[in-house]
Amino acid sequence: DSGVTQTPKHLITATGQRVTLRCSPRSGDLSVYWYQQSLDQGLQFLIQYYNGEERAKGNILERFSAQQFPDLHSELNLSSLELGDSALYFCASTPGQGTEAFFGQGTRLTVV
Amino acid sequence: GDSVTQMEGPVTLSEEAFLTINCTYTATGYPSLFWYVQYPGEGLQLLLKATKADDKGSNKGFEATYRKETTSFHLEKGSVQVSDSAVYFCALPGTYKYIFGTGTRLKVLA
Repeated sequence: DSGVTQTPKHLITATGQRVTLRCSPRSGDLSVYWYQQSLDQGLQFLIQYYNGEERAKGNILERFSAQQFPDLHSELNLSSLELGDSALYFCASTPGQGTEAFFGQGTRLTVV
Repeated sequence: GDSVTQMEGPVTLSEEAFLTINCTYTATGYPSLFWYVQYPGEGLQLLLKATKADDKGSNKGFEATYRKETTSFHLEKGSVQVSDSAVYFCALPGTYKYIFGTGTRLKVLA
């Protein structure tokens, strides 16, 4: 158990809908990262938050947004969903710069 | 910018065979280096790490040595088991994100 919790584990929704993925980092970790993993297994960096503030953006679509709350949990919002958004979405947290990242179990999103 | 290159898979081995998965990196300075493993249906788990040049990380029979001269961090295991079947990722911490290789799928046959 990495200590990072993601909910829900599975999500099936229709095209055009909006969903929210939730991540609770390890206790004390201020940084949260979101990654998307497609079927061809590559990991795409989406966005990073540190102590409530956005730090970096990667290949995140305009239809996607995220935030980190004062209690440090983070949410990733995906809207106007398309079939191609079907993927595994991972959250990771770290205790500090340059240290190892701890990953949640992921949310498997299926858009039908 | 920083990058990680790892060998393409899939790699298929018989049980008890020797495993090497190559990983090379490009980075500013000397960051820590990591190997993560992803078992089917699960998230990424840290397998081992090395924090400075010449360090050897090891865990569960896997080893990798941080080689500054060749900018490499190859993963090795002397005798693989069926339970080692998974996807392996080499990674380093970039400035604002973790940089991963493309992943190498390992399949071990009994």
